[in-house]
Amino acid sequence: GAGVSQSPSNKVTEKGKDVELRCDPISGHTALYWYRQSLGQGLEFLIYFQGNSAPDKSGLPSDRFSAERTGGSVSTLTIQRTQQEDSAVYLCASSPVGGQGTFGPGTRLTVL
Amino acid sequence: SQQGEEDPQALSIQEGENATMNCSYKTSINNLQWYRQNSGRGLVHLILIRSNEREKHSGRLRVTLDTSKKSSSLLITASRAADTASYFCATVRAGGSEKLVFGKGTKLTVNP
Repeated sequence: GAGVSQSPSNKVTEKGKDVELRCDPISGHTALYWYRQSLGQGLEFLIYFQGNSAPDKSGLPSDRFSAERTGGSVSTLTIQRTQQEDSAVYLCASSPVGGQGTFGPGTRLTVL
Repeated sequence: SQQGEEDPQALSIQEGENATMNCSYKTSINNLQWYRQNSGRGLVHLILIRSNEREKHSGRLRVTLDTSKKSSSLLITASRAADTASYFCATVRAGGSEKLVFGKGTKLTVNP
């Protein structure tokens, strides 16, 4: 596609439920990133996929967070047993290796 | 840990004035990128400057890079109300994981 797409755009869930957030990167971009942004804050790095290499998971805040990237394309970020502090906008970006990042519009997650 | 630190955290100027934002980082880099985020979600890529470059221009934007001081600046000339946004720098570290690591951003307000 022309850009990075994310779904859903908004997600409201109850504390303790699991959620899945999806990212469709730009075709051909080998790098894919997930970030989290709380209101008025900077971008918190979560995880980075690059080609077939093992992902850099150093930013995942707890073992409740996991992500997959299937076939080097679509990625899913899963948050298990959501907590209120997980509420944030989750941003996905893709890029050529070390190059300019293109961001998706984000998923706003609200945990009640 | 945060790689880039922007300053100031917030900047308020009048339309027509120039705006300068700075970014400092800690490790050797492959390149440094500047992004803009309007209130809402997605980030828009502005400029990428490589470690062997010292200055780059794009329209009213001028970016400088001083690798000896591990710092970069973004200058917006003849600012407009539409430039009101948060501006982030992001670095791609040299010799390691090529993930994009963001600073906390500068919130720019241009008053008409």
